[in-house]
Formats: sequence, structure tokens, C-alpha cells
Amino acid sequence: QLQLQESGPGLVKPSGTLSLTCSVSGDSINNRSYYWAWIRQPPGKGLEWIGTIYHSGNTFYNPSLKSRVTIYAYTSRNEFSLKLSSVTAADTAKYYCASGDYTNYYYYNYGLGVWGQGTTVNVSS
Amino acid sequence: QSLLTQSPSASGTPGQTVTISCSGSISNVGTNAVNWYQQLPGTAPKLLIYNNNQRPSGVPDRFSGSKSGTSASLAISGLQSEDEADYYCAAWGDILKGPVFGGGTRLTVL
Repeated sequence: QLQLQESGPGLVKPSGTLSLTCSVSGDSINNRSYYWAWIRQPPGKGLEWIGTIYHSGNTFYNPSLKSRVTIYAYTSRNEFSLKLSSVTAADTAKYYCASGDYTNYYYYNYGLGVWGQGTTVNVSS
Repeated sequence: QSLLTQSPSASGTPGQTVTISCSGSISNVGTNAVNWYQQLPGTAPKLLIYNNNQRPSGVPDRFSGSKSGTSASLAISGLQSEDEADYYCAAWGDILKGPVFGGGTRLTVL
């Protein structure tokens, strides 16, 4: 059973870079059946898609964050990561990694079926 | 900001049927399927409905989804206290190239 677990610093200084890792267990990150995503949720607010990485290595990012975001996959470690640069207080949120089923042509209609428990990141000096 | 519109709150008494609505545009809900997520207090979101009206394994059939045009609905019948949660709709955004979420609806079981 696929499981995801986020990790990383809980506190980042303004103008710094937020770096998080999502460890994948129960299957290989190389498995073409999945795609991988980062989602965030500011305190008391709704969900915001950050970006997605596919088996091909292709990445897509939310335009509102695109200039500051990079998502990598580390196949040897079976994990993928998120880097968000030039952070401000507005980036304070709970960050989730998630995966979706990529086996269907219309994969995007099948949602994100597996989520990590999330990790809280505060941006503060 | 959320590109899908949901009412901020909904409520019902045990046993009732509650409906939560979600409104989007032609480039998301109008073209692609709607998924619904349930977020219990202090937990990660959980996929509740996918492809407009399909339930993942383990989701009770009290939960049902539907879509018409650029709007979608989640119905919860036989409301139970454990259904008290935040519910989010989502649909693929053709322009965004990623999922677009609604602002969420907080369901209170009275």
C-alpha cells in the first residue's frame, strides 16, 4: 500500500528557501502508475496546488508560484522534493505531498488518492 | 484564491441529507470531472468522490456526487456525527495544468 511522508524544517526565515521531502513507501517512485504532487494549506484556509512531477520528469507548477518553485524526484532514494525560494509569511502553511493514479488516459479526473499527513512550515524571523 | 466556488458552511441533523455545491467555469468543471475531498479535523484530505460520481473503496454509499455543466454537488445522506468535516471540490484546470480547488465547505452536524 502506497504511503507518503513529508519531512523538513518547520521554520524558515523570510527570503529564505523552503525545502521539503516526501518519502515514498510501499512502491517505487519510478512506477509509471503514479504521478506526484505538492499541495499546501495556509492556516484556516483552503487547499492550493503547488506543482506536479511525472515519471517522465516533466513538471508543472502553479503559475502563481512558478518563478519560485522547483520539484525534483530522487529515484535512488524513492522520494521527491519541493523547493520554494524567497519565502514570505504568506508561504506559512501545512504542506502535503500526494499521489494520483496515472494509469488512465484521463488520469486527472481520478483525483489524488494518497496523501501524506502533512508538515507545518512557518515563515518567520 | 480559489477558482471553484463553494458555500463556506453547511449543516444538518443526524439522519438528514445534506447537499454541498461547487461552481466552476468551462475550463475546469465544465470540461473535466469533479473530485471531492473530505478533511476531518486535524487530518490530511481524503479522496471521497472521483470522476464526478465514483467512490473509492471504503467510502460509504451515503456519499454521492453529481455534475451538470459548470456545477457539481456532493450529497451526504443519513448524516452522521463523524461526517463533520471540511469538504473540498476540485477539478482539473485546463489552463492551470493542475487541480483547481474550491474554498471548502465546513459541514456541521447539529
